[in-house]
Amino acid sequence: DVKVTQSSRYLVKRTGEKVFLECVQDMDHENMFWYRQDPGLGLRLIYFSYDVKMKEKGDIPEGYSVSREKKERFSLILESASTNQTSMYLCASSDRDGYNEQFFGPGTRLTVL
Amino acid sequence: DAKTTQPPSMDCAEGRAANLPCNHSTISGNEYVYWYRQIHSQGPQYIIHGLKNNETNEMASLIITEDRKSSTLILPHATLRDTAVYYCIVRVAQTGANNLFFGTGTRLTVIP
Repeated sequence: DVKVTQSSRYLVKRTGEKVFLECVQDMDHENMFWYRQDPGLGLRLIYFSYDVKMKEKGDIPEGYSVSREKKERFSLILESASTNQTSMYLCASSDRDGYNEQFFGPGTRLTVL
Repeated sequence: DAKTTQPPSMDCAEGRAANLPCNHSTISGNEYVYWYRQIHSQGPQYIIHGLKNNETNEMASLIITEDRKSSTLILPHATLRDTAVYYCIVRVAQTGANNLFFGTGTRLTVIP
């Protein structure tokens, strides 16, 4: 059974803290994605990666960075968390073939106080 | 990428077919139609995709009009577990990382 796992389901952090969200996939996929989901706004792409050490900005990269040192792992970093980064964060992966079937993790609900 | 328009919510009786419409009047010839759904507290799940022919798999059927300006996702026998938000997405299928634009979708409620 294919799987995308995320390090935490729920996370509470304070303003100004550095936050790491981890995502691991076991499908040997080339592409990995980080989205955030907010009520009324759907899913918005933050960053994606199409290969190890490669990254591309999505629609809302400000305030975030990413790291992909290994193929199976894609990390989202909030350098200095702010309250407007309170959201549901979803990681996804897909293979290189381009048919867009993305496999999603369960999500991390981050609250920044 | 072409934008899509979906009704914000729909109800369906358990055991009946659920027909979820999607308008994509600006779709280009090389853009596919994809459907995902998101059950509460879970990540989105792929359902089906198609280009111009109708498609069917174990989860659903996808009917695309001849002019490709709209489509309908059909869940043939809706169950309570099909209650979810359903997203219709159009996107070029190409090699490499492909962004999916998720709008706000249709919230389907299956009623016992």
